[in-house]
Amino acid sequence: AQKITQTQPGMFVQEKEAVTLDCTYDTSDPSYGLFWYKQPSSGEMIFLIYQGSYDQQNATEGRYSLNFQKARKSANLVISASQLGDSAMYFCAVKAAGNKLTFGGGTRVLVKP
Amino acid sequence: KAGVTQTPRYLIKTRGQQVTLSCSPISGHRSVSWYQQTPGQGLQFLFEYFSETQRNKGNFPGRFSGRQFSNSRSEMNVSTLELGDSALYLCASSPLGAGVYNEQFFGPGTRLTVL
Repeated sequence: AQKITQTQPGMFVQEKEAVTLDCTYDTSDPSYGLFWYKQPSSGEMIFLIYQGSYDQQNATEGRYSLNFQKARKSANLVISASQLGDSAMYFCAVKAAGNKLTFGGGTRVLVKP
Repeated sequence: KAGVTQTPRYLIKTRGQQVTLSCSPISGHRSVSWYQQTPGQGLQFLFEYFSETQRNKGNFPGRFSGRQFSNSRSEMNVSTLELGDSALYLCASSPLGAGVYNEQFFGPGTRLTVL
């Protein structure tokens, strides 16, 4: 079984600044994928970035980057140059074999102008 | 390419009734997963269907069931509704198999309110 912990229930960030969202996970599977999703108030889950457990380099996708520390079982999301549209809930999730995502509790981000 | 669609978007039911939610995956995707999201329990996996077969199941009572059709469209049914079933139900589709690298694409969700 997998477990995801997001310790920051909510945070404020100033527009144009960077923000780091914490995520730690626990899984016994040697092969797994880590995902970050954004959920605006509309409810839809929007895929942001993916990191495979065997990937040597940290994933990057535009303004999103992942600080992956496998030994610490940590996969923090960094959002650079925050925009007002980044205000949303952010979920970290892990997937081992099978198409079952296990999600963390989420972090609510509010970007201030 | 059209995204994942879910119908209806909003639903109000009363206790004891049953409800059916529908999900149409992205064209070519054969896997459909369902998740329940509530303020108290967060996002929880319900089940996954692949090629019309249930491949994975979460820890939900038998009142929750689903099926998948030959065109990969999926339906989820909840019988004898309880107040605690009020939630956002999200459907996600994924291409091909069940590898860890397969991204899941989510639909907009169906918000169910049980009165």
